[in-house]
Amino acid sequence: EAAVTQSPRNKVTVTGGNVTLSCRQTNSHNYMYWYRQDTGHGLRLIHYSYGAGNLQIGDVPDGYKATRTTQEDFFLLLELASPSQTSLYFCASSHWGWWGTGQLYFGEGSKLTVL
Amino acid sequence: GDSVTQTEGLVTLTEGLPVMLNCTYQSTYSPFLFWYVQHLNEAPKLLLKSFTDNKRPEHQGFHATLHKSSSSFHLQKSSAQLSDSALYYCALSSNTGYQNFYFGKGTSLTVIP
Repeated sequence: EAAVTQSPRNKVTVTGGNVTLSCRQTNSHNYMYWYRQDTGHGLRLIHYSYGAGNLQIGDVPDGYKATRTTQEDFFLLLELASPSQTSLYFCASSHWGWWGTGQLYFGEGSKLTVL
Repeated sequence: GDSVTQTEGLVTLTEGLPVMLNCTYQSTYSPFLFWYVQHLNEAPKLLLKSFTDNKRPEHQGFHATLHKSSSSFHLQKSSAQLSDSALYYCALSSNTGYQNFYFGKGTSLTVIP
């Protein structure tokens, strides 16, 4: 079973604060993703990457930066957190090859509260 | 662009009745379709994935048929169980350069005794 580990699992910060969410996958997957989950909106893609040093913009990127430092590690950065970024954040990984699309494997989620 | 529509936000069923959750999609290319399930306080996990050879995927009593003519991938089960209560997401992936997954807004299924 693929493993995706997120930290921290819970984070509380104040408006204007700096937050870094970390994600590590140990499955040698090439793609990694950051989603936010909000009631009524489902899962929305923030950023994704197909390899170390690569970053692609998702559907809701405003207010977020991300960096893929290695094949295993993908970070989500909120440099000036706002209450609208209070959400449950999921990291996921998948592998895409010549055979087509692999499934997404999700981490356990990071709950962020911005006061 | 690619998109997925789940028309029901909330579905409540009595145990033993059949389940059908709707999913329609738009895609320029021939996509893969998925159903993910998320139980309370857990991460989403794969329930079903469409096959390229049009076989019908089945798992834990659930099945879904990809109908390209109607762009649909509805989730079905013949008899709902209490343990089926969860949030269900339909998702699409099309290999158009980048591997991206597009999710519907999800359907929350509650099964009552």
